Amino acid sequence: QKEVEQDPGPLSVPEGAIVSLNCTYSNSAFQYFMWYRQYSRKGPELLMYTYSSGNKEDGRFTAQVDKSSKYISLFIRDSQPSDSATYLCAMSAHGNEKLTFGTGTRLTIIP
Amino acid sequence: NAGVMQNPRHLVRRRGQEARLRCSPMKGHSHVYWYRQLPEEGLKFMVYLQKENIIDESGMPKERFSAEFPKEGPSILRIQQVVRGDSAAYFCASSPGAGSGGYTFGSGTRLTVV
Repeated sequence: QKEVEQDPGPLSVPEGAIVSLNCTYSNSAFQYFMWYRQYSRKGPELLMYTYSSGNKEDGRFTAQVDKSSKYISLFIRDSQPSDSATYLCAMSAHGNEKLTFGTGTRLTIIP
Repeated sequence: NAGVMQNPRHLVRRRGQEARLRCSPMKGHSHVYWYRQLPEEGLKFMVYLQKENIIDESGMPKERFSAEFPKEGPSILRIQQVVRGDSAAYFCASSPGAGSGGYTFGSGTRLTVV
C-alpha cells in the first residue's frame, strides 16, 4: 500500500463547474499538506499549503484537511480552461523534510 | 527575483556515460531537494541538502548516484554510468528554512538515455 493514494483520473469537467480533488494517506505522522499544480513538461507550482487539520481558502481554491480520516481535498470553484493540469498532493511529517507525493490527478476543463 | 534554475533543460546521454544536472536555488534559499519523476508517476524524493551537508539521502539509489551542494555554486546531481532506466525528469526544489511553507520547484531536467 502506498503512503499517499490519489486517483489518477483523468477527470474532465465543464468550464464553471466545481472541481473536487482528493488524497488519502496512511502515515499518521503527516502534519504538513500541500497541493501542487503541474502543467505538461513544467515544474510543480505550489497552490496551497496547510498545517494540521482545517480549511484554507485562497481565491478560487480551498484546501481541506481531515487528519482523523487521513483525507485531504482541494476544491476549485468557477473552473477555467487554464486550470487544466495535473494536480499533485504532497505531505510531510515535519517542515523542511522530504515530501511524499501522490501520483497526481490529470484534470481537463472543457470550454 | 529569479526562481529555481535548473540546467540543462534536456540532456541526452548514451548508456555508460555520466550525467550532471545542476540546480541554483532561489536567492536566500539554503535548502535544496532533488526529486525524480517517471512518466505517469508522482515525484519521488531523492536527496535533501544544505550548504556542504547532505541532510537526508534516503531516496538515493545506493550506486551510481551522488549529490552535492558546495559552499559556492549550484547543487549538482551526478549519475555515473547511466542506464536506460535513469531516463526521467529530475526536479530540484529549494526553501529558505524551517517553517517556510512549501518548496519552490525548478522546471526540471529531462534526461534521456539512449
